[in-house]
Amino acid sequence: DTGVSQDPRHKITKRGQNVTFRCDPISEHNRLYWYRQTLGQGPEFLTYFQNEAQLEKSRLLSDRFSAERPKGSFSTLEIQRTEQGDSAMYLCASSILTGMNTEAFFGQGTRLTVV
Amino acid sequence: AQSVAQPEDQVNVAEGNPLTVKCTYSVSGNPYLFWYVQYPNRGLQFLLKYITGDNLVKGSYGFEAEFNKSQTSFHLKKPSALVSDSALYFCAVRDRFSGNTPLVFGKGTRLSVIA
Repeated sequence: DTGVSQDPRHKITKRGQNVTFRCDPISEHNRLYWYRQTLGQGPEFLTYFQNEAQLEKSRLLSDRFSAERPKGSFSTLEIQRTEQGDSAMYLCASSILTGMNTEAFFGQGTRLTVV
Repeated sequence: AQSVAQPEDQVNVAEGNPLTVKCTYSVSGNPYLFWYVQYPNRGLQFLLKYITGDNLVKGSYGFEAEFNKSQTSFHLKKPSALVSDSALYFCAVRDRFSGNTPLVFGKGTRLSVIA
């Protein structure tokens, strides 16, 4: 499978715990995006990378959220001290930088439930 | 700021009938426009995009969309709906000249095709 891969698919955690999600983009895609989707809403942009550089992170929901892409390949999204409001689907997408018009390809998402 | 409006939360159509899912957008410049589909517990799948040129664009699974600049719309259409088209549909926009901006999504429209 050469699509965007996300791990885990589902995560249940207790409030206050830290969680980390992984995204493996399509090979040679240099852009990687993280989105959050809550029930009944469209995907909400969180942050994105071009290679290993994080070009936009002001949309991260709070300072409890952080993301890395250390070698310009896979990326991780960490949420510290989780809250029930963090329960959502976290989507990763990747694209090739060949201009502004390329579509992003999405993974199947990680569904987080905070209890 | 970019935004997308999908005025209908739900669209119901009988199998074999034509379907339309509406989308209007707002950008400061010229838009790149996209449609994605999401099946239950899955990520988003790219359907089609408008970049430039012919206002009618054709995409996957027999879908097409018409770009109308004067009405700032990009409605998704299909001449004959299938039950398997039942899913959540998202319209997305990016401003062509606004730099490194990510896709901005609408809230989604749930399409239900009834046999």
